[in-house]
Amino acid sequence: GQNIDQPTEMTATEGAIVQINCTYQTSGFNGLFWYQQHAGEAPTFLSYNVLDGLEEKGRFSSFLSRSKGYSYLLLKELQMKDSASYLCAAMDSNYQLIWGAGTKLIIKP
Amino acid sequence: IAGITQAPTSQILAAGRRMTLRCTQDMRHNAMYWYRQDLGLGLRLIHYSNTAGTTGKGEVPDGYSVSRANTDDFPLTLASAVPSQTSVYFCASSDAEGPFNEQFFGPGTRLTVL
Repeated sequence: GQNIDQPTEMTATEGAIVQINCTYQTSGFNGLFWYQQHAGEAPTFLSYNVLDGLEEKGRFSSFLSRSKGYSYLLLKELQMKDSASYLCAAMDSNYQLIWGAGTKLIIKP
Repeated sequence: IAGITQAPTSQILAAGRRMTLRCTQDMRHNAMYWYRQDLGLGLRLIHYSNTAGTTGKGEVPDGYSVSRANTDDFPLTLASAVPSQTSVYFCASSDAEGPFNEQFFGPGTRLTVL
């Protein structure tokens, strides 16, 4: 079957660094997406990885290891506005996204 | 209109009633999707459309139907609502040109079926 696993909730301190892990199992693989979703709002795109390695975009970076079925989202210099849920999604062989349940990130001052 | 709009924003519905959730995009995207989001679960695909005139079933299609008469509109219909269809419904669209198809989401419709 197809499955995405990510932690339910994480807590971090303002100004710190946090890493949100995601493991996936899909029928075929066409890339790994991370989305951010603030409470009561729609998900918004953060990053896409299809090759192994690290993609950096400002304070956010995303890493992919295809052989391990593993990705992480790294958030640096945390700000209070980063409090949100972070959704990991893998694209299968039919180009459909399989979504994880999301990781709720709580930022404390 | 800018991006994707959904209507209504929220709705309380009696079980057994018929309901259509509306979705319109102005980005001329070929592909559109309907998801439901429930607490503790990931987004689950209900139906999708890769281009106007075609539709396909997602992971949880039972009890729902869709149509895609044109590029911009993708309504979702619940023929006879049941309490288990209480959820937040998101419509999304994408260019669907190759594997990297960033999906853009509408603001969602919060539906309660009593």
